[in-house]
Parts: sequence; C-alpha cells; structure tokens
Amino acid sequence: NAGVTQTPKFRVLKTGQSMTLLCAQDMNHEYMYWYRQDPGMGLRLIHYSVGEGTTAKGEVPDGYNVSRLKKQNFLLGLESAAPSQTSVYFCASSPLGTPDTQYFGPGTRLTVL
Amino acid sequence: QQQVKQSPQSLIVQKGGISIINCAYENTAFDYFPWYQQFPGKGPALLIAIRPDVSEKKEGRFTISFNKSAKQFSLHIMDSQPGDSATYFCAATYDTGGFKTIFGAGTRLFVKA
Repeated sequence: NAGVTQTPKFRVLKTGQSMTLLCAQDMNHEYMYWYRQDPGMGLRLIHYSVGEGTTAKGEVPDGYNVSRLKKQNFLLGLESAAPSQTSVYFCASSPLGTPDTQYFGPGTRLTVL
Repeated sequence: QQQVKQSPQSLIVQKGGISIINCAYENTAFDYFPWYQQFPGKGPALLIAIRPDVSEKKEGRFTISFNKSAKQFSLHIMDSQPGDSATYFCAATYDTGGFKTIFGAGTRLFVKA
C-alpha cells in the first residue's frame, strides 16, 4: 500500500499561471481533503469530498477548484496563481467507518513568484 | 466559533521530562479531538485521539486529558525522548455531512538529549 501520494512534490509558478495538484489514495477511502499549511497557522481546509463526484468548500476555498472524478483521486486546481497561495499543500483521506481519522500525504511545496 | 487555540508555540524539554501541550476550543459541536505529529518534510500522522465522553486516554507514553466543561484538552508526553522532537497539532472534528477538522496552530517540541 502506497497510502496517500501527492504529485508533484515541489513546484514554482509565476503569478497568473495555472496548475493542478494530484492526490491519489489506494486505501479505498470515501473521504478526501485538501489542506494548506502556513507557518504559525496550522492546517486549513480548502475543499473536501465525501465521495466520488462530490465536492464541498472548506475554510479557505477562494482561488481553488477541485474535482473527484474517480474515488481514488482528488485534484486541486489553481486557475490563476497568486503569491498568497505560496504554501505547503497536504491531501488527506479517511475511511467510511472512521471518517474522522485522516491519513495524510507527504505534501506539495508550492511557491508563486 | 471554529477556532482551536493551541499553546505553547514552542517547547524545549529535557530527555526524560514531561512535555505538556494545551488546546482550547469554543464550538460544542466538536465531537472528536485528535492529536497529530509531524516531522520535518512529512505529512501529519495521527498520534492519539479522544471523544468528549471520556476524560482521559493513554497510549504508551502519550496521554490526552479532556475537560469538557472547560472546553480544554491537553497532550502529555511522559519520559520525553529526542525522537519525539516534532511539531504537534491538536485538532477538533465535527460532522457537517463531511467531517471537518479544525487544527490548532501547532507546537514545535524539542527534546534535549
């Protein structure tokens, strides 16, 4: 089991560019989440999904879009990157039986210049 | 209020000592209180968790104490070891049709050998 994997590990963008972060899990989990982690602020929920084809907004959704076309994948898109989106992004998943127990990926470090 | 307030921001403890990290919350809808441990360059990993109907939970050297009336909970690490040096996040989860988790800002623990 690879658990939760994230692609890419690092990325540098220029302001206005777009990109997609990919999260994949092989644990057959129903729930998936995208967080951003900034110094001194813990992790903040961007968007989440309670199942294939469903998505919902978290605490800080502005500037991001998500899609969950397949159960095992959860994509996070930045349509027009801004320096304020410089952060470390973590994906997580949790199973139907214990949905409040989350398993995190290794993170993607994104810098927007 | 959605916030979870965590203190201290950083903590230095001698090897063999007790590390104590405190958290407070406002929203009485929270029904699950996990602690996550994060090493540099890695994603957070669930360490221990408690539900509000229990006042204490112990797993090895790690203990959560929970005070429902005060809306506070804390993590105690007994016999702290250099390998415990990491960032610790408290969190609180509630069900809104998806399980939203609000994280504290984190405590950076350093255990001196």
